[in-house]
Amino acid sequence: DAKTTQPNSMESNEEEPVHLPCNHSTISGTDYIHWYRQLPSQGPEYVIHGLTSNVNNRMASLAIAEDRKSSTLILHRATLRDAAVYYCILRDGGAYNFNKFYFGSGTKLNVKP
Amino acid sequence: GAGVSQTPSNKVTEKGKYVELRCDPISGHTALYWYRQSLGQGPEFLIYFQGTGAADDSGLPNDRFFAVRPEGSVSTLKIQRTERGDSAVYLCASSRRGETQYFGPGTRLLVL
Repeated sequence: DAKTTQPNSMESNEEEPVHLPCNHSTISGTDYIHWYRQLPSQGPEYVIHGLTSNVNNRMASLAIAEDRKSSTLILHRATLRDAAVYYCILRDGGAYNFNKFYFGSGTKLNVKP
Repeated sequence: GAGVSQTPSNKVTEKGKYVELRCDPISGHTALYWYRQSLGQGPEFLIYFQGTGAADDSGLPNDRFFAVRPEGSVSTLKIQRTERGDSAVYLCASSRRGETQYFGPGTRLLVL
């Protein structure tokens, strides 16, 4: 499984944007980039995913580098509820490839009021 | 709609005992995954089912761990002769098309 590298922790102020980086230099052409987050004492929850183009949804934006060796999860206005561990995950293949996820240690985001 | 549910939410057992952890996936989801999460670590893959069969059990740490999904819906993770090192949060996830996994709240297992 291709691996990802994330900073152990980051800090943000409430109401400000947050950029969470992820390096995946060994990504293959069929790997999708997924982001999940885990709030305290809860299971991970889906945030966003993409393949090559930047993606937006109601929770966040995903910016993917042109060479796909890195990506950035963008929270446009951090709230206290966004304090969580964020995981960047690579998943091989298309929609019907039921592969396991390799989570790594993730980035713990602390949001200050 | 109902999400993935796991029971019990907490389980305390003694070293050497047998435990069963249950996962109810989202209705209609054909894929079901089990992960284990130790304190301060990300979840680690254990096994996944496609329908009733275990499609990938490469993450099971040893033969004390076993999982079943007899009717392609509910799954049970079984741990024999529990050890203190088995203490962790056991997470279950399900998926319809393989893109997005939906996780349950987990079962916190403590082996004394």
